[in-house]
Amino acid sequence: NAGVMQNPRHLVRRRGQEARLRCSPMKGHSHVYWYRQLPEEGLKFMVYLQKENIIDESGMPKERFSAEFPKEGPSILRIQQVVRGDSAAYFCASSPWANQQGSGYEQYFGPGTRLTVT
Amino acid sequence: GQSLEQPSEVTAVEGAIVQINCTYQTSGFYGLSWYQQHDGGAPTFLSYNGLDGLEETGRFSSFLSRSDSYGYLLLQELQMKDSASYFCASRSGNTPLVFGKGTRLSVIA
Repeated sequence: NAGVMQNPRHLVRRRGQEARLRCSPMKGHSHVYWYRQLPEEGLKFMVYLQKENIIDESGMPKERFSAEFPKEGPSILRIQQVVRGDSAAYFCASSPWANQQGSGYEQYFGPGTRLTVT
Repeated sequence: GQSLEQPSEVTAVEGAIVQINCTYQTSGFYGLSWYQQHDGGAPTFLSYNGLDGLEETGRFSSFLSRSDSYGYLLLQELQMKDSASYFCASRSGNTPLVFGKGTRLSVIA
């Protein structure tokens, strides 16, 4: 049973370009979360999605950032017109469930995409 | 809002026991999770406390006291491979997990 897959593992973009990060959740998981992590920092929640729905995007900047989790295919985190401050590790996690009390407490993380903006 | 506080660094000797504390300020608190992350790696789920008390999983145990808004992760029989960052994360209301800034554990010989 494959774990959470993310690609690419490393991504280099020049300022102003677009970055597209992909995440395939574990088989059977329908809840996907995206986090950003800066060096020596904790994980900062960005967005929580279920298939075809954005459940919570409170942690995602309103401009330049968008996320989707289509009915078929991986979840995509898109960053338009990247700036140097976007350089970070972006982790995707999935969980098999989330009850009315919010997101699952046991999340399975992918290996991350390390974005470098030059 | 929600916030979690944990020490930034802890050093312990191989074979010893170490406790990593986490205090939280969270409205509508449901429970506390712990994650391990090695340098350059992905966070890995370790344990969850939804109720007060101790949860034991092998060499790792986690404790929660709701009345004190406090929890800890206890690592026994430390091994060099336990050197990593450890994050507590709180779960509350209809909000996503909120992570602390992490505690970097260094295990020395």
